Amino acid sequence: DTGVSQDPRHKITKRGQNVTFRCDPISEHNRLYWYRQTLGQGPEFLTYFQNEAQLEKSRLLSDRFSAERPKGSFSTLEIQRTEQGDSAMYLCASSLVVGAAGAFFGQGTRLTVV
Amino acid sequence: DAKTTQPNSMESNEEEPVHLPCNHSTISGTDYIHWYRQLPSQGPEYVIHGLTSNVNNRMASLAIAEDRKSSTLILHRATLRDAAVYYCILSNRDDKIIFGKGTRLHILP
Repeated sequence: DTGVSQDPRHKITKRGQNVTFRCDPISEHNRLYWYRQTLGQGPEFLTYFQNEAQLEKSRLLSDRFSAERPKGSFSTLEIQRTEQGDSAMYLCASSLVVGAAGAFFGQGTRLTVV
Repeated sequence: DAKTTQPNSMESNEEEPVHLPCNHSTISGTDYIHWYRQLPSQGPEYVIHGLTSNVNNRMASLAIAEDRKSSTLILHRATLRDAAVYYCILSNRDDKIIFGKGTRLHILP
């Protein structure tokens, strides 16, 4: 297992289009997290899963954002009707139960909305 | 709301030890102390974590105050590759991981 992988690494889309990102966590990790990061800021929490259950979604996240983890393995993050303000790096991380173990991050998907 | 307080930035000379402080005066008994770092243009990287006792691994050491209200990440011999933003985070078993602003560490050659 080579770690957390995210696909695609880069995405350029036109405003108003829908985009979907995929995250493959480290196998046997039951926690999966999505974050968004803009230049000069720390990662901003979006949502997280324990197995297939979505435990929490940030209140800052609009209804245009949705995430799934259907079988408790890989996850997808979809953004509908993209806006220029959605341009950011989208990071995925996975872990065992977090308190007692660290989380491991993917390299991220860089989204540019034009 | 940030549960930890870190300096915005620090500088250190190459090949010298670096002590990165973190205050967490409201830590609860079940909170673990985690450190991550983020190198330029990369995702965050797990560094170390602990609960009560000091911890060592191949990357760093974590010194935890006896009252657990503060901790220090120690890089024993800084290299230019250690230049990064370092995040101190509290988390318990049921928590999500929330990042603050971190400390930007500059390494001087």
